[in-house]
Amino acid sequence: GQSLEQPSEVTAVEGAIVQINCTYQTSGFYGLSWYQQHDGGAPTFLSYNALDGLEETGRFSSFLSRSDSYGYLLLQELQMKDSASYFCAVKAGGFKTIFGAGTRLFVKA
Amino acid sequence: DAGVTQSPTHLIKTRGQQVTLRCSPKSGHDTVSWYQQALGQGPQFIFQYYEEEERQRGNFPDRFSGHQFPNYSSELNVNALLLGDSALYLCASNKDYTSSYEQYFGPGTRLTVT
Repeated sequence: GQSLEQPSEVTAVEGAIVQINCTYQTSGFYGLSWYQQHDGGAPTFLSYNALDGLEETGRFSSFLSRSDSYGYLLLQELQMKDSASYFCAVKAGGFKTIFGAGTRLFVKA
Repeated sequence: DAGVTQSPTHLIKTRGQQVTLRCSPKSGHDTVSWYQQALGQGPQFIFQYYEEEERQRGNFPDRFSGHQFPNYSSELNVNALLLGDSALYLCASNKDYTSSYEQYFGPGTRLTVT
């Protein structure tokens, strides 16, 4: 089967660093994407890793280890506006994208 | 640059009825995917359209069908509505079928089935 596992909730304080992990089990793996979704809003694309290693985009970074079927999203200098749900997603062969159940991030003052 | 648009925003239907949801992709995009998102869950892939054809379908029954028009806009049709079909329906577009790792989502249609 195809599945993605990520923690359901993470809490951190403003200014801190938080890491959201994602492990996946899929066939025909092409890469790992990350999306952010605020309550009542649409998912927005954050990053994509096709190869092993770290990709940095401003305060956000994403990491992939294909051999471990594992990736993470790293958020630095947390701000209140970062409170949202974060989803990992895989393009798992063909034209299908599978999303994880999401991690709700709560940022406290 | 127009993003992905969807209509209607909200919809209330009765069990057994049929519904049609509409989506216009982001300018320059030709591939459209539809997702169902239940509260507190991740989006579930329904199907993807490219070149006016359904390219792949997720684990959804035949009650869910779609269409893509020559201008790349798309419709999602759901027949014989069930209470369990109540969800947020999201449309996403990407530049072409090879770039679905980066999808742009519309605001969604909130469907309530009573």
